[in-house]
Amino acid sequence: EVQILETGGGLVKPGGSLRLSCATSGFNFNDYFMNWVRQAPGKGLEWVAQIRNKNYNYATYYAESLEGRVTISRDDSKSSVYLQVSSLRAEDTAIYYCTRSRRGDYWGQGVMVTVSS
Amino acid sequence: DIVMTQSPSSLAVSAGETVTINCKSSQSLLSSGNQKNYLAWYQQKPGQSPKLLIYLASTRESGVPDRFIGSGSGTDFTLTISSVQAEDLADYYCQQHYSYPLTFGSGTKLEIK
Repeated sequence: EVQILETGGGLVKPGGSLRLSCATSGFNFNDYFMNWVRQAPGKGLEWVAQIRNKNYNYATYYAESLEGRVTISRDDSKSSVYLQVSSLRAEDTAIYYCTRSRRGDYWGQGVMVTVSS
Repeated sequence: DIVMTQSPSSLAVSAGETVTINCKSSQSLLSSGNQKNYLAWYQQKPGQSPKLLIYLASTRESGVPDRFIGSGSGTDFTLTISSVQAEDLADYYCQQHYSYPLTFGSGTKLEIK
């Protein structure tokens, strides 16, 4: 069974940073691209970042609205993907989801990030 | 960036009716190499994570009821839900995965009368 579990969310002050983690199991992690998608309270979905697998040299892609403030990374030995977000703003408040593959065939339950003083 | 325009933003139907949700992309999502359209549809029920319904515009994800039908090509796509059931109450989103940055439509809220 595919399982995806995000951790690392919480309350962060504006200007702060945090690192989200996504632990996976139940599939060969090495074979898949992984994404982060976020959803602000009461709003729609926004794709944040993708990291490809080793076959594609771990290439990374980012939403323009966040580029320069986010870094996606992965550790194939731990079947995990990470999202480092810096210079956090109130508008970064959202549920952050970790998703598998380019088409998003599996999603985690999400982790809430609140940016507030 | 490819802009995804989804309509309507909301609709209310009675159980048993057929629903059509539209999604239009600002650029073609059709790959000339393999003739596939890189368009997905997701369903998000209240309080839940989104779930993939359809990918490559018309391929139903495993386990998705056959009343969910994706169609379209190029820049115009449709999600049809035939014989809507109460459990279909949800927000529906289209997403292009043709080019980066990947982009979502703004969503359609489906209510059941």
